[in-house]
Amino acid sequence: GQQLNQSPQSMFIQEGEDVSMNCTSSSIFNTWLWYKQDPGEGPVLLIALYKAGELTSNGRLTAQFGITRKDSFLNISASIPSDVGIYFCAGQFRAGNNRKLIWGLGTSLAVNP
Amino acid sequence: KAGVTQTPRYLIKTRGQQVTLSCSPISGHRSVSWYQQTPGQGLQFLFEYFSETQRNKGNFPGRFSGRQFSNSRSEMNVSTLELGDSALYLCASSPRAGGFNSYNEQFFGPGTRLTVL
Repeated sequence: GQQLNQSPQSMFIQEGEDVSMNCTSSSIFNTWLWYKQDPGEGPVLLIALYKAGELTSNGRLTAQFGITRKDSFLNISASIPSDVGIYFCAGQFRAGNNRKLIWGLGTSLAVNP
Repeated sequence: KAGVTQTPRYLIKTRGQQVTLSCSPISGHRSVSWYQQTPGQGLQFLFEYFSETQRNKGNFPGRFSGRQFSNSRSEMNVSTLELGDSALYLCASSPRAGGFNSYNEQFFGPGTRLTVL
């Protein structure tokens, strides 16, 4: 079945550093999503991407929908302590008469103040 | 506007028992989806309900079932619990059901942490 390979699995960085994470797959998706999950909470949508090549920013966050439709990356610039959490990518595709949403396993981010 | 609420937040059961989890979506939202989250498997889609009808289903055994009421509140039930069912169960609501080429943002609740002993 479809799988998303999200990397890195975890990151430990200094405050102020830039962060980059990505998701790849052998399958094609029509939508890419990036979510963040804080401890004890459900995931919160950060960025949604709908077109191949699309580059979208949300404050210090920037994400791109890969041109092949099989990958996406998320960058965080000038990290701050509240960026700590688990970041998930998710890809949506059509499967027959249904749409499916597949999730990566997450990138755990720790920021040292 | 109140967010998605899930009850209970924590639950401990033993193998063979059954459990019912509840989800109240954001007011006005008619679509509710359920996910199982574990460290090794990530978020796995269980099912989606819209207007009391199951619209989409993941690859889980029949022990996992759900329903949606006329007020959009939803419940999921797991019968004959197994140790591997220990997980965080997340509910997400959306104003409408998504289309094939569109994505309606899902708003997640805090989850119910189920431990099966």
